[in-house]
Amino acid sequence: GDSVTQMEGPVTLSEEAFLTINCTYTATGYPSLFWYVQYPGEGLQLLLKATKADDKGSNKGFEATYRKETTSFHLEKGSVQVSDSAVYFCALLGGTNSKLTFGKGITLSVRP
Amino acid sequence: DTAVSQTPKYLVTQMGNDKSIKCEQNLGHDTMYWYKQDSKKFLKIMFSYNNKELIINETVPNRFSPKSPDKAHLNLHINSLELGDSAVYFCASSAHLAGARDTQYFGPGTRLTVL
Repeated sequence: GDSVTQMEGPVTLSEEAFLTINCTYTATGYPSLFWYVQYPGEGLQLLLKATKADDKGSNKGFEATYRKETTSFHLEKGSVQVSDSAVYFCALLGGTNSKLTFGKGITLSVRP
Repeated sequence: DTAVSQTPKYLVTQMGNDKSIKCEQNLGHDTMYWYKQDSKKFLKIMFSYNNKELIINETVPNRFSPKSPDKAHLNLHINSLELGDSAVYFCASSAHLAGARDTQYFGPGTRLTVL
């Protein structure tokens, strides 16, 4: 079945540091890929998405490129802020039943 | 103008009780979902409904019964609550069922604590 693997966390960075959060997936067919973010005490928000190979999703300075050859969708940001502290989930949507499969999530803490 | 709303936000109850969580979306979407987030923040789908019809039931105990009175509402009723049911429950919706490109929009979550 479909699966998403995220790098182990938590991750702690200083403000303005470069961020990479790795995500790889296993799926049949051509899934869509998503990054969701959960700020402390809040629900899930869509951060960005990509629906086909080589697409780049971007939002709020975050980027991720859909790499079919490496089955990856790594999240990057050039300069993180304290306000980026949250839990980040990689997810895929495949097949015909619209079932989102999530990775385990990774907690990012950004120090001033 | 909240897109996906859930009530209540917090629910504390005793083992053995029956409780319901309500979800409403005002996006005009056809498909709605329930997800469970455990204490380690792992998210897993429980159910999906499309136009009031059950589509996905991910081996959830039959103590959990979703009900969709119309396509804008998907409620979750839980009978005989157990300690292991303590979690955050998220409702979500998307425009269509089979659109692999459709974004799912999540509600704020309901934190259920069973004592």
